[in-house]
Amino acid sequence: GAVVSQHPSWVICKSGTSVKIECRSLDFQATTMFWYRQFPKQSLMLMATSNEGSKATYEQGVEKDKFLINHASLTLSTLTVTSAHPEDSSFYICSAPGETQYFGPGTRLLVL
Amino acid sequence: GENVEQHPSTLSVQEGDSAVIKCTYSDSASNYFPWYKQELGKRPQLIIDIRSNVGEKKDQRIAVTLNKTAKHFSLHITETQPEDSAVYFCAASIGTGGFKTIFGAGTRLFVKA
Repeated sequence: GAVVSQHPSWVICKSGTSVKIECRSLDFQATTMFWYRQFPKQSLMLMATSNEGSKATYEQGVEKDKFLINHASLTLSTLTVTSAHPEDSSFYICSAPGETQYFGPGTRLLVL
Repeated sequence: GENVEQHPSTLSVQEGDSAVIKCTYSDSASNYFPWYKQELGKRPQLIIDIRSNVGEKKDQRIAVTLNKTAKHFSLHITETQPEDSAVYFCAASIGTGGFKTIFGAGTRLFVKA
């Protein structure tokens, strides 16, 4: 089946720094990718839709200047959490559509 | 936009019993309804899905039913086993292409041996 990877799998950073998370479709092309955030014991909340060649579409309540999304190619989307704060600590998961949604393994972010 | 509600939030059953999780959706345009199992710290794993042109689908111990008129769909797990213990999410989307998938709140299933 289709494979989506994410890097890094976990990251610890200091408050105020920026963190970049990569999402790659390994064996297929994805003009669209999705970014989710999941807090402990909660559901996956869609943050934004990443579109290759155009601007990302953000869900209501998600700050586009804080969560920068770049869909650099047909196999790569990146999410940059700028000026991270402890409340941004979460599990970030990307997905790419095909016959179903193919999820990356997730990135656990801890902001100290 | 789409809103998916899921019940119950927690479900505890005895090994061998059946478990049923119910979801409702709001957007009548939604036509693809996947169910995911998520273990702690891991990605959601697709366990079964159903499209709007089908009312029921079964895969071994797992079945899903869909009522488009009422906008609700359900997951049925029979002969539950301890390894079925996990968090289950229902979801809805318009197809599987560039359309976003909206998740329910999740059901934490405990299967007691």
